[in-house]
Amino acid sequence: QKEVEQDPGPLSVPEGAIVSLNCTYSNSAFQYFMWYRQYSRKGPELLMYTYSSGNKEDGRFTAQVDKSSKYISLFIRDSQPSDSATYLCAMREYGNKLVFGAGTILRVKS
Amino acid sequence: DGGITQSPKYLFRKEGQNVTLSCEQNLNHDAMYWYRQDPGQGLRLIYYSQIVNDFQKGDIAEGYSVSREKKESFPLTVTSAQKNPTAFYLCAVLNDNTEAFFGQGTRLTVV
Repeated sequence: QKEVEQDPGPLSVPEGAIVSLNCTYSNSAFQYFMWYRQYSRKGPELLMYTYSSGNKEDGRFTAQVDKSSKYISLFIRDSQPSDSATYLCAMREYGNKLVFGAGTILRVKS
Repeated sequence: DGGITQSPKYLFRKEGQNVTLSCEQNLNHDAMYWYRQDPGQGLRLIYYSQIVNDFQKGDIAEGYSVSREKKESFPLTVTSAQKNPTAFYLCAVLNDNTEAFFGQGTRLTVV
C-alpha cells in the first residue's frame, strides 16, 4: 500500500464549478500537509500549506485536513480555465522525508 | 523557483554514459531533495539531504548518486546503471516550515 493515495483523474469540470481534490494517507505521524499545482513541463508550485488538522482558506482555495480519517482535501471555488493543471498533495512527518501523491489532472472547460 | 536553479533544462544521454544534473539554491535552507517524474505520474523520491555532508536514499535510488559538499549545491548523477533514465527531474528545497520549493526541472532523454 502506498503511503499517500491520490486519484489521478483526469477530472473535467465546467468553468465556475467547485472542485474537490482529495488524498488519503496511512502514516498517522504526518503533521505537515501541502498542495502543489503543476503546469505542463514546469516545476510544482506551492498552493497551500497546513500544519495538523483544520481548514485554511486563501482566496478561491480551501485546504482541509482530517487527521482522524487520514484524509486531506483541496477545494477550488469558481474554477477557471487557468486552474487546469495537475494538483499534487504532499505530506511529511517532522524530521523525515516529504512524500507526494501521484497527482490529479484537472481540466476546467470554458 | 525564484532561488533554485536547475541546469541544464534539457539533457541528452547516450547509452552507458554518466550525466550530472545541477541544482543550486540561494535560499540558505538545509534540506534539498531530488525527485523523478514520469509522464502522467507523481513525484518519486531519489535522494534527499537534510544537511551538508549528509544524504539519504529515497524510494528509487538505484542507478543514481549524489553529493552534498556545499549547502548551496546538491548535484545528481545518473549513472549507466540506471536502465530507464528518461524522465523529468526535479530538485526541491525545504524551508524550516517544511514547505518545498521547486526548480523548473531538467528533462533527460536517452538517445
